[in-house]
Amino acid sequence: GEDVEQSLFLSVREGDSSVINCTYTDSSSTYLYWYKQEPGAGLQLLTYIFSNMDMKQDQRLTVLLNKKDKHLSLRIADTQTGDSAIYFCVPKDSGAGSYQLTFGKGTKLSVIP
Amino acid sequence: NAGVTQTPKFQVLKTGQSMTLQCAQDMNHNSMYWYRQDPGMGLRLIYYSASEGTTDKGEVPNGYNVSRLNKREFSLRLESAAPSQTSVYFCASRPRGLAGQETQYFGPGTRLLVL
Repeated sequence: GEDVEQSLFLSVREGDSSVINCTYTDSSSTYLYWYKQEPGAGLQLLTYIFSNMDMKQDQRLTVLLNKKDKHLSLRIADTQTGDSAIYFCVPKDSGAGSYQLTFGKGTKLSVIP
Repeated sequence: NAGVTQTPKFQVLKTGQSMTLQCAQDMNHNSMYWYRQDPGMGLRLIYYSASEGTTDKGEVPNGYNVSRLNKREFSLRLESAAPSQTSVYFCASRPRGLAGQETQYFGPGTRLLVL
C-alpha cells in the first residue's frame, strides 16, 4: 500500500498563502488527489493532478508535483477562514481492480482571522 | 439528489451491545466503502464493496460485518461493541469509471461512543 507523510498541523493568517506538503513512496502513482474535510463533515475531493503533469492551477489552488522526489504540494492563495479543514494527500496507482484509497492522517489547516 | 446519507448521526452504546450503521446512496454508484476516523490515526478502511453482491475486508475489519443489501445500501454491523470502536464512521461511494478515477463521495458521518 501507499505510504504518505504530511505535517499534522499548519497555521496561517487570513489572506496569506498556505502550502501543504506531502511525500509518498509509490513511484507508480498515476493520480494524486487532494481531499478536504471541513469540521464535522465528510471528505470531499478538492483537486487532483495526473502524474504526467508538473503543475495544475485551479482558481486559488495550485498543485505542484515533483515525481523524482515523490513530493506533492497544495498551495492555497489568499487563505480564508473557510479553508480551515483537514487536507489529505492521496496518491493512487491505476491498477485494474484497485478500488481502495489510503488517506493517512492529513494536515489540519487553521486559519487565524 | 441527496448523495450519500448515513443514519444515525450519533449513537451511544454500552459495551457488548450490537447495532447497525446504515448507509445509502442515490447516485447509482457501483462501489461503496466504510471507514473509521480516529484522532491521530487518520482514516482507515474497514470494508468495501466493489460492486453489488461483493464485499471485501479493508485494513481494520475485526469486530465488524457488512452487508451490501442492494446497489444503494451498504450497512455496517457491530455485533458486540467495544470501547475501542468509539470512532467516527464514514460511508463513501464511487461511480464506475476509468481505472484510477477514484473520486469518492462521502456521507456526513456517524459518531459512535461505546461506554
